[in-house]
Amino acid sequence: QKEVEQDPGPLSVPEGAIVSLNCTYSNSAFQYFMWYRQYSRKGPELLMYTYSSGNKEDGRFTAQVDKSSKYISLFIRDSQPSDSATYLCAMSVYNFNKFYFGSGTKLNVKP
Amino acid sequence: GAVVSQHPSWVICKSGTSVKIECRSLDFQATTMFWYRQFPKQSLMLMATSNEGSKATYEQGVEKDKFLINHASLTLSTLTVTSAHPEDSSFYICSARVRGLGNTEAFFGQGTRLTVV
Repeated sequence: QKEVEQDPGPLSVPEGAIVSLNCTYSNSAFQYFMWYRQYSRKGPELLMYTYSSGNKEDGRFTAQVDKSSKYISLFIRDSQPSDSATYLCAMSVYNFNKFYFGSGTKLNVKP
Repeated sequence: GAVVSQHPSWVICKSGTSVKIECRSLDFQATTMFWYRQFPKQSLMLMATSNEGSKATYEQGVEKDKFLINHASLTLSTLTVTSAHPEDSSFYICSARVRGLGNTEAFFGQGTRLTVV
């Protein structure tokens, strides 16, 4: 079983839709949870990070962590064509010695 | 956010030659740098973790003699692919973890696309 599971998609939505991206994980020791956006042929760009359970909002993006279910989500409101990219979830234990990545979900927002 | 500069962004080399990729943290000191490899439509595969001034820790299955990592300072790490072969062609990405501030985030370079012909 992989440490982190993420549906690879692709996920195609119309412009303006609410997008929900999710990851599940198996290691209960994970405490830091991150979402990265990666455009084609570019390095990943950190979007948001959260510590432990709860929600965090930044503009059109909301990250949720449910440690009891070992489930994290990223919501994108009012999605734009420029949001089209691959979204990677990542997580780490307390000492940050290693990041565990999901396989990435490819999102396509159609104008 | 913090900036990580990776150079070159792409390189083509002949089989049997060596290629060096540089990763620099431009406006912060990086406690740790990570090197990843990414195949098309796949996630990042961690190759090694390097701490400034010490030997890199390689993941299982990664040949340390083939992928030489040097982390000479808090702002520079290099990955050298020695005696490159076509199967080494891939997208290589470095990541740097910020020193201080609770060591929360890791920031990525732009990636290097290596093609071995």
